[in-house]
Amino acid sequence: AQSVSQHNHHVILSEAASLELGCNYSYGGTVNLFWYVQYPGQHLQLLLKYFSGDPLVKGIKGFEAEFIKSKFSFNLRKPSVQWSDTAEYFCAVNLGAAGNKLTFGGGTRVLVKP
Amino acid sequence: DVKVTQSSRYLVKRTGEKVFLECVQDMDHENMFWYRQDPGLGLRLIYFSYDVKMKEKGDIPEGYSVSREKKERFSLILESASTNQTSMYLCASSSPSTENEQYFGPGTRLTVT
Repeated sequence: AQSVSQHNHHVILSEAASLELGCNYSYGGTVNLFWYVQYPGQHLQLLLKYFSGDPLVKGIKGFEAEFIKSKFSFNLRKPSVQWSDTAEYFCAVNLGAAGNKLTFGGGTRVLVKP
Repeated sequence: DVKVTQSSRYLVKRTGEKVFLECVQDMDHENMFWYRQDPGLGLRLIYFSYDVKMKEKGDIPEGYSVSREKKERFSLILESASTNQTSMYLCASSSPSTENEQYFGPGTRLTVT
């Protein structure tokens, strides 16, 4: 069975700092990869996704993620965070065209101090 | 915009009660999902459905059942609520036509006392 692990449960940083959240998955076949974000009191919403092509994916709000197939990783990055990036971030994987289920990581709570 | 709505934002029930959580989506999506979200565990799939009257168990189906009588509506049922079912419940929908990107509802925070 596929699994998804996020390395950090909690991250605290100051505004303008750079952010990188790790995500690794365990599945050897074709995968679709997602990062979702949940701002306090809001719906879970899609930040970015990777299906194929350029492994560097750009999403909303200045976020990007890089798919490294050899490392089974899909790390999320933002060069300079803002207080409004305080949220919980979830990495998710599905089995490409063969699957419609998502497997989620445990989430990373990010607190950006003003 | 896709809209997924859930019947309640907050719900308090007593142990042993039967609980119904309703989810409605307005985008004609084939797939619908129920997750529970617990701190440190992320989202865990309870059940999903890929068509009307079809259902599949997810990773943690014990203590739950589901019903999908209409394409837009997917219900989660707790036959006899227990305190370990206190959680945030999230509904989502998706479609192959949107590359199976899942759209989420606002969630129902259920407390079982």
